[in-house]
Amino acid sequence: DAGVIQSPRHEVTEMGQEVTLRCKPISGHNSLFWYRQTMMRGLELLIYFNNNVPIDDSGMPEDRFSAKMPNASFSTLKIQPSEPRDSAVYFCASSSTWYSNQPQHFGDGTRLSIL
Amino acid sequence: RKEVEQDPGPFNVPEGATVAFNCTYSNSASQSFFWYRQDCRKEPKLLMSVYSSGNEDGRFTAQLNRASQYISLLIRDSKLSDSATYLCVVNPNTGNQFYFGTGTSLTVIP
Repeated sequence: DAGVIQSPRHEVTEMGQEVTLRCKPISGHNSLFWYRQTMMRGLELLIYFNNNVPIDDSGMPEDRFSAKMPNASFSTLKIQPSEPRDSAVYFCASSSTWYSNQPQHFGDGTRLSIL
Repeated sequence: RKEVEQDPGPFNVPEGATVAFNCTYSNSASQSFFWYRQDCRKEPKLLMSVYSSGNEDGRFTAQLNRASQYISLLIRDSKLSDSATYLCVVNPNTGNQFYFGTGTSLTVIP
Protein backbone atom coordinates (compact mmCIF):
# COMPACT_ATOMS: atom_id res chain seq x y z
CA ASP A 1 0.00 0.00 0.00
CA ALA A 2 1.29 3.46 -0.85
CA GLY A 3 2.02 5.60 2.15
CA VAL A 4 2.22 9.37 2.33
CA ILE A 5 4.41 10.60 -0.50
CA GLN A 6 6.45 13.76 -0.18
CA SER A 7 8.64 15.52 -2.68
CA PRO A 8 11.35 16.53 -2.98
CA ARG A 9 13.28 14.42 -0.45
CA HIS A 10 16.00 17.05 -0.22
CA GLU A 11 16.09 20.70 -1.22
CA VAL A 12 19.01 23.07 -1.04
CA THR A 13 18.45 26.61 -2.18
CA GLU A 14 19.62 30.13 -1.57
CA MET A 15 17.81 32.52 0.69
CA GLY A 16 15.19 34.61 -1.03
CA GLN A 17 14.13 31.80 -3.35
CA GLU A 18 10.65 30.32 -3.38
CA VAL A 19 10.41 26.77 -2.05
CA THR A 20 7.49 24.45 -2.76
CA LEU A 21 7.03 21.20 -0.87
CA ARG A 22 4.52 18.64 -2.07
CA CYS A 23 2.51 15.94 -0.39
CA LYS A 24 0.19 13.17 -1.52
CA PRO A 25 -1.78 11.71 1.41
CA ILE A 26 -2.82 8.11 1.73
CA SER A 27 -5.82 7.42 -0.46
CA GLY A 28 -9.03 7.67 1.54
CA HIS A 29 -7.54 9.80 4.30
CA ASN A 30 -9.38 13.10 4.76
CA SER A 31 -7.02 14.88 7.19
CA LEU A 32 -3.63 16.23 6.20
CA PHE A 33 -1.00 17.77 8.44
CA TRP A 34 2.18 19.74 7.79
CA TYR A 35 4.92 19.64 10.47
CA ARG A 36 8.36 21.13 10.81
CA GLN A 37 11.08 19.50 12.92
CA THR A 38 14.34 20.98 14.15
CA MET A 39 16.71 19.98 16.92
CA MET A 40 15.95 23.15 18.82
CA ARG A 41 12.15 23.20 18.57
CA GLY A 42 11.24 19.57 18.01
CA LEU A 43 8.16 18.65 16.00
CA GLU A 44 5.87 21.63 15.36
CA LEU A 45 2.46 21.51 13.70
CA LEU A 46 2.25 24.18 11.01
CA ILE A 47 -1.24 23.64 9.59
CA TYR A 48 -3.80 20.91 9.12
CA PHE A 49 -6.71 20.32 6.76
CA ASN A 50 -9.91 18.33 7.12
CA ASN A 51 -11.68 17.51 3.86
CA ASN A 52 -9.35 19.92 2.00
CA VAL A 53 -10.30 22.84 4.28
CA PRO A 54 -7.65 24.46 6.50
CA ILE A 55 -8.74 24.02 10.11
CA ASP A 56 -5.86 25.40 12.13
CA ASP A 57 -2.99 27.41 10.68
CA SER A 58 -1.90 28.99 13.94
CA GLY A 59 1.42 27.19 13.68
CA MET A 60 2.40 28.83 10.41
CA PRO A 61 5.38 30.99 11.34
CA GLU A 62 4.57 34.06 9.29
CA ASP A 63 3.17 35.32 6.02
CA ARG A 64 6.08 33.85 4.12
CA PHE A 65 4.51 30.43 4.62
CA SER A 66 1.38 29.33 2.80
CA ALA A 67 -0.31 25.98 2.31
CA LYS A 68 -2.98 24.76 -0.06
CA MET A 69 -4.94 21.62 -0.60
CA PRO A 70 -6.72 21.91 -3.94
CA ASN A 71 -8.03 18.35 -3.83
CA ALA A 72 -8.08 15.28 -1.62
CA SER A 73 -4.89 13.85 -3.08
CA PHE A 74 -2.50 16.78 -3.12
CA SER A 75 -1.18 19.54 -0.89
CA THR A 76 1.61 22.09 -1.13
CA LEU A 77 3.55 24.10 1.41
CA LYS A 78 5.26 27.19 0.02
CA ILE A 79 7.87 29.43 1.54
CA GLN A 80 8.45 32.73 -0.20
CA PRO A 81 10.94 34.26 0.31
CA SER A 82 12.92 31.57 2.09
CA GLU A 83 15.35 32.36 4.91
CA PRO A 84 18.17 30.32 6.51
CA ARG A 85 16.09 29.88 9.69
CA ASP A 86 13.54 27.92 7.64
CA SER A 87 16.07 25.09 7.34
CA ALA A 88 14.44 22.02 8.86
CA VAL A 89 12.81 18.72 8.04
CA TYR A 90 9.24 19.20 6.88
CA PHE A 91 6.87 16.28 7.34
CA CYS A 92 3.47 15.71 5.87
CA ALA A 93 1.10 13.28 7.59
CA SER A 94 -2.41 12.06 6.92
CA SER A 95 -5.15 10.34 8.85
CA SER A 96 -8.80 9.51 8.64
CA THR A 97 -11.69 10.92 10.62
CA TRP A 98 -14.14 8.41 9.20
CA TYR A 99 -13.36 6.01 12.04
CA SER A 100 -12.37 6.71 15.62
CA ASN A 101 -8.89 6.17 17.04
CA GLN A 102 -7.13 6.48 13.71
CA PRO A 103 -3.44 7.39 13.94
CA GLN A 104 -1.43 9.65 11.68
CA HIS A 105 0.89 8.27 9.05
CA PHE A 106 3.95 10.28 8.07
CA GLY A 107 5.78 10.74 4.82
CA ASP A 108 9.56 10.43 4.61
CA GLY A 109 9.96 14.19 4.97
CA THR A 110 11.68 16.92 2.97
CA ARG A 111 15.07 18.01 4.26
CA LEU A 112 15.28 21.69 3.46
CA SER A 113 18.48 23.71 3.64
CA ILE A 114 18.42 27.43 2.95
CA LEU A 115 21.87 28.87 2.37
CA ARG B 1 0.40 24.14 30.29
CA LYS B 2 1.41 21.90 27.40
CA GLU B 3 -1.14 19.48 26.02
CA VAL B 4 1.29 16.58 26.33
CA GLU B 5 4.42 16.32 28.48
CA GLN B 6 7.16 13.74 28.40
CA ASP B 7 10.43 13.26 30.20
CA PRO B 8 13.01 13.84 27.44
CA GLY B 9 15.53 11.48 29.04
CA PRO B 10 17.94 10.33 27.81
CA PHE B 11 17.43 6.80 29.05
CA ASN B 12 20.53 4.65 28.67
CA VAL B 13 19.85 1.01 29.51
CA PRO B 14 21.73 -2.27 28.99
CA GLU B 15 20.48 -4.91 26.62
CA GLY B 16 17.85 -7.08 28.21
CA ALA B 17 16.69 -4.41 30.62
CA THR B 18 13.11 -3.32 31.13
CA VAL B 19 12.41 0.36 30.64
CA ALA B 20 9.24 2.41 31.07
CA PHE B 21 8.24 5.81 29.78
CA ASN B 22 5.37 7.95 31.01
CA CYS B 23 3.54 10.75 29.35
CA THR B 24 0.93 13.08 30.86
CA TYR B 25 -1.84 14.90 29.01
CA SER B 26 -3.89 17.91 30.04
CA ASN B 27 -7.24 17.40 28.28
CA SER B 28 -9.31 14.99 30.34
CA ALA B 29 -11.70 14.52 27.41
CA SER B 30 -8.98 13.03 25.18
CA GLN B 31 -10.05 9.85 23.48
CA SER B 32 -7.20 8.51 21.34
CA PHE B 33 -3.66 7.77 22.41
CA PHE B 34 -0.64 6.48 20.55
CA TRP B 35 3.05 5.79 20.90
CA TYR B 36 5.31 6.59 17.96
CA ARG B 37 8.93 5.74 17.40
CA GLN B 38 11.33 8.02 15.55
CA ASP B 39 14.78 6.95 14.45
CA CYS B 40 17.48 9.51 13.76
CA ARG B 41 16.81 11.41 10.53
CA LYS B 42 13.64 9.43 9.86
CA GLU B 43 9.93 10.10 10.10
CA PRO B 44 7.87 9.21 13.19
CA LYS B 45 6.30 5.79 12.80
CA LEU B 46 3.34 4.39 14.68
CA LEU B 47 4.51 1.91 17.31
CA MET B 48 1.15 1.13 18.87
CA SER B 49 -2.19 2.55 19.80
CA VAL B 50 -3.10 2.69 23.48
CA TYR B 51 -6.42 1.20 24.47
CA SER B 52 -8.36 1.82 27.66
CA SER B 53 -7.80 -1.68 28.96
CA GLY B 54 -4.11 -1.64 28.10
CA ASN B 55 -2.56 -3.60 25.29
CA GLU B 56 0.53 -5.59 24.49
CA ASP B 57 2.48 -6.18 21.31
CA GLY B 58 5.34 -8.58 21.85
CA ARG B 59 7.84 -6.93 24.19
CA PHE B 60 5.88 -3.68 24.26
CA THR B 61 3.04 -2.89 26.68
CA ALA B 62 0.99 0.30 26.64
CA GLN B 63 -1.22 1.45 29.49
CA LEU B 64 -3.72 4.27 29.92
CA ASN B 65 -4.59 5.80 33.28
CA ARG B 66 -7.50 8.16 32.75
CA ALA B 67 -7.81 9.15 36.39
CA SER B 68 -4.26 10.45 36.50
CA GLN B 69 -4.21 11.41 32.82
CA TYR B 70 -1.13 9.58 31.75
CA ILE B 71 -0.10 6.89 29.34
CA SER B 72 2.88 4.62 29.66
CA LEU B 73 5.03 2.41 27.47
CA LEU B 74 6.93 -0.55 28.86
CA ILE B 75 9.67 -2.24 26.86
CA ARG B 76 10.84 -5.61 28.13
CA ASP B 77 14.07 -7.39 27.16
CA SER B 78 15.47 -4.29 25.44
CA LYS B 79 17.29 -4.79 22.14
CA LEU B 80 19.92 -2.60 20.54
CA SER B 81 17.41 -1.94 17.78
CA ASP B 82 15.02 -0.34 20.29
CA SER B 83 17.32 2.70 20.45
CA ALA B 84 15.23 5.60 19.19
CA THR B 85 13.09 8.50 20.34
CA TYR B 86 9.63 7.55 21.58
CA LEU B 87 6.83 10.08 21.16
CA CYS B 88 3.49 9.96 22.87
CA VAL B 89 0.55 11.37 20.96
CA VAL B 90 -2.89 12.40 22.16
CA ASN B 91 -5.92 13.16 20.03
CA PRO B 92 -8.75 14.92 21.88
CA ASN B 93 -10.97 13.94 18.94
CA THR B 94 -12.15 17.50 18.50
CA GLY B 95 -11.29 18.58 14.97
CA ASN B 96 -8.81 15.71 14.62
CA GLN B 97 -5.94 17.66 16.14
CA PHE B 98 -3.02 15.49 17.31
CA TYR B 99 -0.73 16.64 20.13
CA PHE B 100 2.79 15.24 20.21
CA GLY B 101 5.07 15.04 23.20
CA THR B 102 8.65 16.21 22.77
CA GLY B 103 9.87 12.63 22.80
CA THR B 104 11.94 10.45 25.11
CA SER B 105 15.35 9.34 23.90
CA LEU B 106 16.31 5.71 24.53
CA THR B 107 19.73 4.20 23.96
CA VAL B 108 20.20 0.48 24.56
CA ILE B 109 23.80 -0.32 25.34
CA PRO B 110 25.51 -3.63 24.50
